[in-house]
Amino acid sequence: SAVISQKPSRDICQRGTSLTIQCQVDSQVTMMFWYRQQPGQSLTLIATANQGSEATYESGFVIDKFPISRPNLTFSTLTVSNMSPEDSSIYLCSVEQGLNTEAFFGQGTRLTVV
Amino acid sequence: QQQVKQSPQSLIVQKGGISIINCAYENTAFDYFPWYQQFPGKGPALLIAIRPDVSEKKEGRFTISFNKSAKQFSLHIMDSQPGDSATYFCAATGGTYKYIFGTGTRLKVLA
Repeated sequence: SAVISQKPSRDICQRGTSLTIQCQVDSQVTMMFWYRQQPGQSLTLIATANQGSEATYESGFVIDKFPISRPNLTFSTLTVSNMSPEDSSIYLCSVEQGLNTEAFFGQGTRLTVV
Repeated sequence: QQQVKQSPQSLIVQKGGISIINCAYENTAFDYFPWYQQFPGKGPALLIAIRPDVSEKKEGRFTISFNKSAKQFSLHIMDSQPGDSATYFCAATGGTYKYIFGTGTRLKVLA
């Protein structure tokens, strides 16, 4: 199993500013993922963060808006840049320890942009 | 082809009743089908999962039924309890690390 800690757990931000969300895992993992969950909605994959390479973004998400760092096998950050109210969501970090195995999730970061 | 369709969107069940949530998929490359439970303010947590080589998997009060030919799978919660009130997501993955999540079912179990 994997225990994931996300910081901050919630934040209220002004539009036009940026927020960096941290994800710390208690074990080394190859695959880390960032999801967005809009209120009452399902999980949408933003990007896959691999250590030592550029993040791979899903359709509709771009690096300029959601830059990701993955400096080592236990840590990643997601930045939400130039925020607007439409970015208000829960952002979730996830890890998988093997192909077709359980995905573990952090508790999420609830972001409100005003 | 990458979608996982989930129904119902919401479900209200009396305590002690059976909750049933259904999912359907198109991509035959999917070979791992988990169900996640999410409480408000928490991240999703794995509840139970199945692979297509079996038609049913049971863990306590939770059972997954899997119909490979129909490309459907369902979650059954027996003897539903108020503590089961949460949002449930089905998901599918196969061949890649990407999960495809269903749209979610908000379950409320009445005391």
